[in-house]
Amino acid sequence: DSGVTQTPKHLITATGQRVTLRCSPRSGDLSVYWYQQSLDQGLQFLIQYYNGEERAKGNILERFSAQQFPDLHSELNLSSLELGDSALYFCASSVGAGFGYTFGSGTRLTVV
Amino acid sequence: AQSVSQHNHHVILSEAASLELGCNYSYGGTVNLFWYVQYPGQHLQLLLKYFSGDPLVKGIKGFEAEFIKSKFSFNLRKPSVQWSDTAEYFCAVGPGIPTFGRGTSLIVHP
Repeated sequence: DSGVTQTPKHLITATGQRVTLRCSPRSGDLSVYWYQQSLDQGLQFLIQYYNGEERAKGNILERFSAQQFPDLHSELNLSSLELGDSALYFCASSVGAGFGYTFGSGTRLTVV
Repeated sequence: AQSVSQHNHHVILSEAASLELGCNYSYGGTVNLFWYVQYPGQHLQLLLKYFSGDPLVKGIKGFEAEFIKSKFSFNLRKPSVQWSDTAEYFCAVGPGIPTFGRGTSLIVHP
């Protein structure tokens, strides 16, 4: 157990649907990062939140959004899902960007 | 922006063989360098990191990496691999939000 909790572990949904992935960071970590891992794109950074505020955006589609709540847990919302959105979605937390991440176990999303 | 390249996509070794995985980066300033490992079905774990100081960095599980600034490289090494080292290995480079390489799949045969 890394201390970063992601739910659910697996999610199967149909195209056009909307899903929410949840992440609880390691205790004491204020930064949360979302990554998408797919076979063809590798590990792609999506978005970072720090203490409730958006800090950095990567290759995140407009159909995707995220937020971090006062208790520091974060949610990644994926809407109008397409087959190509099937991937592993990882959440990571850290005390700061340069200190190395602690990753969660990921949510495997399958869009059918 | 920084970029990182891992040249070895798949490596197959026998137990006790020595390992070296290549990582080259592109960035003109001061870098932070990381190696992560992802065991089958598990999350990524930090193996080691370099920020400054001694360019030879020792990590967990007997791994080490050497930062060679002139070659823009941060290769991962282990003198004798075990079957349990079978995993995906990712190099990442900062500053800021690290950029990850595409990963190297290592299979160690017993």
